[in-house]
Amino acid sequence: NAGVTQTPKFRVLKTGQSMTLLCAQDMNHEYMYWYRQDPGMGLRLIHYSVGEGTTAKGEVPDGYNVSRLKKQNFLLGLESAAPSQTSVYFCASRTSGRGRSYNEQFFGPGTRLTVL
Amino acid sequence: AQSVTQLDSHVSVSEGTPVLLRCNYSSSYSPSLFWYVQHPNKGLQLLLKYTSAATLVKGINGFEAEFKKSETSFHLTKPSAHMSDAAEYFCVVSVPMNRDDKIIFGKGTRLHILP
Repeated sequence: NAGVTQTPKFRVLKTGQSMTLLCAQDMNHEYMYWYRQDPGMGLRLIHYSVGEGTTAKGEVPDGYNVSRLKKQNFLLGLESAAPSQTSVYFCASRTSGRGRSYNEQFFGPGTRLTVL
Repeated sequence: AQSVTQLDSHVSVSEGTPVLLRCNYSSSYSPSLFWYVQHPNKGLQLLLKYTSAATLVKGINGFEAEFKKSETSFHLTKPSAHMSDAAEYFCVVSVPMNRDDKIIFGKGTRLHILP
């Protein structure tokens, strides 16, 4: 099992450019999440999905869009990148099985994005 | 409202001495609690979790944590620090909600190990 993978690992964008980050998981998890990590801020939830075809806003959704067309994939889009979106982005997934609250998240290795 | 507070942003200990990373939580519901570790330029990895089965939880790499409801704490400890323990540690609370759980991350504690 590859677990949770993220593509790309690094990216540099110019202000106003767009890009899509791909998250893939092979554990058949229902729930998927996108976070951003900034120094001293911990992880902040951008968007999440509780199943194929569903998405919901998290704590810091502005400037981002997501799609979950397939259960194993969760895409994060930046339509017009801004320097404030310079961050490390992490994807995570989790099963919704019995005892849902007890189920830990599995994290990808992260994507380091710089917006100039 | 639910919240998580990691009381120290940085902790430094000497190799071979005990480690204590402090975490307090606030929750109206009975929470699940987790500790994750993040080594430099890596993703987060689960260290241990509390799921109401036992208040003292043992995790990987010799870490353990004790759930104390009266103190609303879930502190992480290790008897003897190793250089490889240098990393950032996150305390996380998960509270059941309607469609999914509310998952709240602490801001992290960076652990430094002195030779």
